Amino acid sequence: DVKVTQSSRYLVKRTGEKVFLECVQDMDHENMFWYRQDPGLGLRLIYFSYDVKMKEKGDIPEGYSVSREKKERFSLILESASTNQTSMYLCASTSGGFGVSKNIQYFGAGTRLSVL
Amino acid sequence: AQKITQTQPGMFVQEKEAVTLDCTYDTSDPSYGLFWYKQPSSGEMIFLIYQGSYDQQNATEGRYSLNFQKARKSANLVISASQLGDSAMYFCAMSPSPYGGATNKLIFGTGTLLAVQP
Repeated sequence: DVKVTQSSRYLVKRTGEKVFLECVQDMDHENMFWYRQDPGLGLRLIYFSYDVKMKEKGDIPEGYSVSREKKERFSLILESASTNQTSMYLCASTSGGFGVSKNIQYFGAGTRLSVL
Repeated sequence: AQKITQTQPGMFVQEKEAVTLDCTYDTSDPSYGLFWYKQPSSGEMIFLIYQGSYDQQNATEGRYSLNFQKARKSANLVISASQLGDSAMYFCAMSPSPYGGATNKLIFGTGTLLAVQP
């Protein structure tokens, strides 16, 4: 089974702190994604990566950056956390390529971040 | 731009009954894929079922079936014989390609919270 692990389930940080959210997948997947989930808004894509050191902006990249130094690890960085970044953050991965099974996104359990 | 609409914020269903969760989509592309995910209170998103825009038959996976009506741009999820464990948030999502590609991003709806009553 594919396993996507997010390092923290709950995180509480202060405004202005630098925050790292870590995501690791164990299936050698090419593509990794970071989403933000807010009530009434569904999931919104922040950034994604299709290869090591490669990244692309999603729909709401402002205030975030990412790092992918190794294939299995994709980090989301909040350079200076703000209260409006309080949210649930979900990481996902796919193997990529053609075929339905290669494009099913597998998700981690999420990190609930509170910025006070 | 592609868009997914789920108009039911929440629903109740009796155990053992069938339930339909609505999903409509908007796209001008002829090629796309439609997904349904389940999110229990634990938070993890679980893939349920998939339908490609070129698929002739409605997808089925166990108790889940996808009622795909292309002309109406709807992709409703039908859960037969509901169980208490089906209580969760359900999300409909769309990808720009039915069969994948370099990076197959998903666009999600706002979700429907399903509560199964004993």
